[in-house]
Amino acid sequence: SQTIHQWPATLVQPVGSPLSLECTVEGTSNPNLYWYRQAAGRGLQLLFYSVGIGQISSEVPQNLSASRPQDRQFILSSKKLLLSDSGFYLCAWSVLRGSGELFFGEGSRLTVL
Amino acid sequence: GESVGLHLPTLSVQEGDNSIINCAYSNSASDYFIWYKQESGKGPQFIIDIRSNMDKRQGQRVTVLLNKTVKHLSLQIAATQPGDSAVYFCAENMDDYKLSFGAGTTVTVRA
Repeated sequence: SQTIHQWPATLVQPVGSPLSLECTVEGTSNPNLYWYRQAAGRGLQLLFYSVGIGQISSEVPQNLSASRPQDRQFILSSKKLLLSDSGFYLCAWSVLRGSGELFFGEGSRLTVL
Repeated sequence: GESVGLHLPTLSVQEGDNSIINCAYSNSASDYFIWYKQESGKGPQFIIDIRSNMDKRQGQRVTVLLNKTVKHLSLQIAATQPGDSAVYFCAENMDDYKLSFGAGTTVTVRA
């Protein structure tokens, strides 16, 4: 069966510090991978998605970047965090192109102070 | 901005009653819709989906209704239980790879 792992679960970082959130998927090959951000009491905003190794699509201009160094690994990064980067970050995967269900990780809560 | 929205941000329901959560979407070309449930501090979990060639789909205690004429989606939960307390999101496919999510409805079940 497929599983998705996301870490760290909780992170408190000072403004201006770097960020690295990691996500790995097991039990499937060539998944589509996604990073979403959820602000408190809000819906999910798509940040990045990837359909293959090294292929990253950015949805919104921001202080973040994503990389996919391996087929089942997706990394969310920042060189210098802003207060507005605080939120709940969710990694997700799907296998179907079009109309495919997304499977989410447990999320990483980032607080920037 | 978001193309999918929910009518009410909160819903309080008595245990044992039926719940109805509504969602309006704006993209008439969307052909796939999903309802997710998110418990506090966790990632969203799939509840049920429906394609645009259907009007209704039933699962275990849940039913999704799709009205393409008015671009409206609803989730009905039968005999609501305390474990149903969560935030519920509707989502529509925007293209081959992306889902767009609404802001969510927080459902609170009263004992």
